[in-house]
Amino acid sequence: GQQLNQSPQSMFIQEGEDVSMNCTSSSIFNTWLWYKQDPGEGPVLLIALYKAGELTSNGRLTAQFGITRKDSFLNISASIPSDVGIYFCAGQLEEYGNKLVFGAGTILRVKS
Amino acid sequence: DGGITQSPKYLFRKEGQNVTLSCEQNLNHDAMYWYRQDPGQGLRLIYYSQIVNDFQKGDIAEGYSVSREKKESFPLTVTSAQKNPTAFYLCASSIASRGRTEAFFGQGTRLTVV
Repeated sequence: GQQLNQSPQSMFIQEGEDVSMNCTSSSIFNTWLWYKQDPGEGPVLLIALYKAGELTSNGRLTAQFGITRKDSFLNISASIPSDVGIYFCAGQLEEYGNKLVFGAGTILRVKS
Repeated sequence: DGGITQSPKYLFRKEGQNVTLSCEQNLNHDAMYWYRQDPGQGLRLIYYSQIVNDFQKGDIAEGYSVSREKKESFPLTVTSAQKNPTAFYLCASSIASRGRTEAFFGQGTRLTVV
């Protein structure tokens, strides 16, 4: 079953707004990954995090690996319409070797 | 170009038939994975393999089978025992080392049972 809690489940954005989402778990992770999926396509890797406390940016995206190794967040600054899609966090569990576990996803939609 | 390729993009199957989804990668990755995605849902792990000739069941392996005879290939067979096979199937691959598990995905195969 799922071992990652991703929130929020969905959110509406207005162009120019900052967006924040996070993943938490009761388990310790070696790696945190953030992906974006467009409809009908495979997820695309946005950011990879490998060390507790690590803060990494990719353009308007910033993600952090929590100090406790049990959580991570992703921020999107100054959102644009093409940011809509589904964002997934994924983690490599310490006790499961290379097995990747995915969160349920955060659906980003545009306010009309 | 290096990448991971799934085929076909769309697949239709009659009830009671087995069907095999193809996944090929030329990234020299050791680990490969199959995930299932239902509408509006996250990714659920079906099977994964960390090395040739070895694979492990994921969370929803029932009704599926895989093989890993070559490093580059990890085909998934959806058998007639899978009660609800209509879904979007995603294959991924990664370097098999602890702490560096950047998984890259194919474009997916949408399977519809008719």
